[in-house]
Amino acid sequence: QKEVEQDPGPLSVPEGAIVSLNCTYSNSAFQYFMWYRQYSRKGPELLMYTYSSGNKEDGRFTAQVDKSSKYISLFIRDSQPSDSATYLCAMSNYNDYKLSFGAGTTVTVRA
Amino acid sequence: DVKVTQSSRYLVKRTGEKVFLECVQDMDHENMFWYRQDPGLGLRLIYFSYDVKMKEKGDIPEGYSVSREKKERFSLILESASTNQTSMYLCASRPTGTSGLDEQFFGPGTRLTVL
Repeated sequence: QKEVEQDPGPLSVPEGAIVSLNCTYSNSAFQYFMWYRQYSRKGPELLMYTYSSGNKEDGRFTAQVDKSSKYISLFIRDSQPSDSATYLCAMSNYNDYKLSFGAGTTVTVRA
Repeated sequence: DVKVTQSSRYLVKRTGEKVFLECVQDMDHENMFWYRQDPGLGLRLIYFSYDVKMKEKGDIPEGYSVSREKKERFSLILESASTNQTSMYLCASRPTGTSGLDEQFFGPGTRLTVL
């Protein structure tokens, strides 16, 4: 069993829809939870991060962490064609350089 | 503006060849990483360097070696390329910190095909 599980999709939604992405994990020591966005033919870039449990909102993006269920989510409201990308969840322990990545979910927003 | 560059975007090599992938960062970061990215598997860490001439094995180091002679440059070496090393290779850098949250900055990737 992989340490971080993420449905690779692909996911195709119409413009304006809400995109819901999620990951589950098995390592209860994870404290930091990140979402990276990767456009085609580019490297990943950090989109959002949260520490421990709770929600965080940044514009149209909301990240949620439920440590009791070992489940994290990313929601994209009012999705735009420019949101079409692969979204990777990543997580780490408090004092560790190492990130554990999910497989990535490819999202296409149709105009 | 932070920048991580990789020497090639696309590379085609033959089985048994020695392959060098170069990565340069201009952010004065101490930590540098090499990952490979495969469909359905996400990013897997090959090697990590926390300082010049220092390295640690990641999750999948077999068949790879690394070199870090200067702070800004981190090289990945495939001693004898094999077809199962066909993949996208991503380099990343990160400042030294005690927090697992410190952001890793990625290069654009090198797509290596081994025939």
